[in-house]
Amino acid sequence: AQSVTQLDSHVSVSEGTPVLLRCNYSSSYSPSLFWYVQHPNKGLQLLLKYTSAATLVKGINGFEAEFKKSETSFHLTKPSAHMSDAAEYFCVVSPGSYIPTFGRGTSLIVHP
Amino acid sequence: KAGVTQTPRYLIKTRGQQVTLSCSPISGHRSVSWYQQTPGQGLQFLFEYFSETQRNKGNFPGRFSGRQFSNSRSEMNVSTLELGDSALYLCASSTGLERYNEQFFGPGTRLTVL
Repeated sequence: AQSVTQLDSHVSVSEGTPVLLRCNYSSSYSPSLFWYVQHPNKGLQLLLKYTSAATLVKGINGFEAEFKKSETSFHLTKPSAHMSDAAEYFCVVSPGSYIPTFGRGTSLIVHP
Repeated sequence: KAGVTQTPRYLIKTRGQQVTLSCSPISGHRSVSWYQQTPGQGLQFLFEYFSETQRNKGNFPGRFSGRQFSNSRSEMNVSTLELGDSALYLCASSTGLERYNEQFFGPGTRLTVL
């Protein structure tokens, strides 16, 4: 069985400061891991994915995530937040099946 | 390349009615998945269709059903609507040719049950 836990339901940052969105997972198999972003009234868009190649994964819009097997974590970071980054972020785990498990989401709030 | 489209974007129904939602995947994609998104339960997987066959199914009652046509377009049907079915229903498409990989999501259909 697999599960994913997003440790913060809300994260609030000021524009220009770093962003850290935390995700822990559990999986019986070597998983694939993803981060998606959802802007208001929009569908989800893939930010980045880990599929057992490099442990540091770079995505779109300056986001990156590091896979740490020993900590079963896949935290999402960005060096400098922009107002347009305000959205809901979802961590997703797939243990090699067709059915993904989504985290509950983290709402990122960016203050001017 | 056109994205995933979903129709209608908004629906209002009353309890006991049934509803059909439509999803057109990206051209060339053979897999269509459906998700229900609510504030209380988050994003939950409903089912996945690949080449007109249901390949995977989530843990939802039989009132939720779907189908896929030969052109890969998919429909989802909910019968005997309940208040708790109010949600954003998301459709996602992918090639479906490998284990879970990137899915492309539509904007969703917002269903309100009164």
